[in-house]
Amino acid sequence: IAGITQAPTSQILAAGRRMTLRCTQDMRHNAMYWYRQDLGLGLRLIHYSNTAGTTGKGEVPDGYSVSRANTDDFPLTLASAVPSQTSVYFCASSDHAGGADTQYFGPGTRLTVL
Amino acid sequence: GQNIDQPTEMTATEGAIVQINCTYQTSGFNGLFWYQQHAGEAPTFLSYNVLDGLEEKGRFSSFLSRSKGYSYLLLKELQMKDSASYLCAVSSNDYKLSFGAGTTVTVRA
Repeated sequence: IAGITQAPTSQILAAGRRMTLRCTQDMRHNAMYWYRQDLGLGLRLIHYSNTAGTTGKGEVPDGYSVSRANTDDFPLTLASAVPSQTSVYFCASSDHAGGADTQYFGPGTRLTVL
Repeated sequence: GQNIDQPTEMTATEGAIVQINCTYQTSGFNGLFWYQQHAGEAPTFLSYNVLDGLEEKGRFSSFLSRSKGYSYLLLKELQMKDSASYLCAVSSNDYKLSFGAGTTVTVRA
């Protein structure tokens, strides 16, 4: 069982380019999340999806979009990348069945926008 | 919104005990999580508290006081592999997590 996979592992991108970060989980979790992690700021929620077909905005959604066509996949798109989007991006998922609802994280994508 | 505070850095000696404090202010509360994150890796789940009191899991324990908006993570018998960042995260009523900036623990021989 792979858990959560993310691709690419790292990417250097020119400003203004479009980029999609991929995230796939095989745990049949209902909810999925995208975070960015910056030094000194901790993990901040970008977008989330409570179930396939629905999405919502997190704390820092501007410049990003997501879709949730099925349970397993939750891609994050930067329509026109800017240097301030240089960060490490983590995808996570949770069962969302009540109780602790622990989130499990993918290995991350390190993105540099020049 | 959520306001979560934890110390930036802590240093301790191998075999010792370290306590990482976390204070929070929240508009809704559905539990508090602690995650461990080694450099360059993903956060991994350590513990969850939703009721007041101490939860013990081997060398790691986590405590919660909801009335004080306070939690701590206790690491006992420190090992070199415990050198990592420890993230405090509060779950709100809609199950979304808000994270503190993390505490970097360095274990020295």
